[in-house]
Amino acid sequence: DAKTTQPPSMDCAEGRAANLPCNHSTISGNEYVYWYRQIHSQGPQYIIHGLKNNETNEMASLIITEDRKSSTLILPHATLRDTAVYYCTEPLESNYGGSQGNLIFGKGTKLSVKP
Amino acid sequence: SAVISQKPSRDICQRGTSLTIQCQVDSQVTMMFWYRQQPGQSLTLIATANQGSEATYESGFVIDKFPISRPNLTFSTLTVSNMSPEDSSIYLCSAGGDQPQHFGDGTRLSIL
Repeated sequence: DAKTTQPPSMDCAEGRAANLPCNHSTISGNEYVYWYRQIHSQGPQYIIHGLKNNETNEMASLIITEDRKSSTLILPHATLRDTAVYYCTEPLESNYGGSQGNLIFGKGTKLSVKP
Repeated sequence: SAVISQKPSRDICQRGTSLTIQCQVDSQVTMMFWYRQQPGQSLTLIATANQGSEATYESGFVIDKFPISRPNLTFSTLTVSNMSPEDSSIYLCSAGGDQPQHFGDGTRLSIL
């Protein structure tokens, strides 16, 4: 079963920031949190990952709470092409030092960016 | 980041037949995985493809139904055996290890 929980759907206006929450209350100390998105008819696309520090790359920012029980993915200026299902995932087990492993996908958040 | 190519991209098969899906990575990777995504659902891990040894299967998936090969660090195959309509799904390959996992675009399989 998935170890993360996310809202099933969210709407966002084009050009505004999209903030996608995820709860991972059972995460252990060395498990990373990974974010992917899946646009219709494509495979999941890697977005970003983090352990305990906030992270930023060219696609998004990841804010992780101090207790590591939740995180928020931020798309700073959402476009119509960001409409997708966003998955927050964790490794199945910490077999690989927490840096990689079998990912458990929950149901994700369907983000709809509207003009 | 690794580029993952899967073949075929889609197929329609008769029940009782088998189909082998190929996954090619453009660089050597430590880990390769196979997932299934049933219509309207999230991804479920089938197995980890281990190079040079038998794959590691998740609960509910068995080698006789989903035999997997991984002859080297850039290639793996998944066979869906004795197919039934319940096997109609998208089958996805991913690769990772030192880097985050990257996915192919999947194989869309329909069984009549």
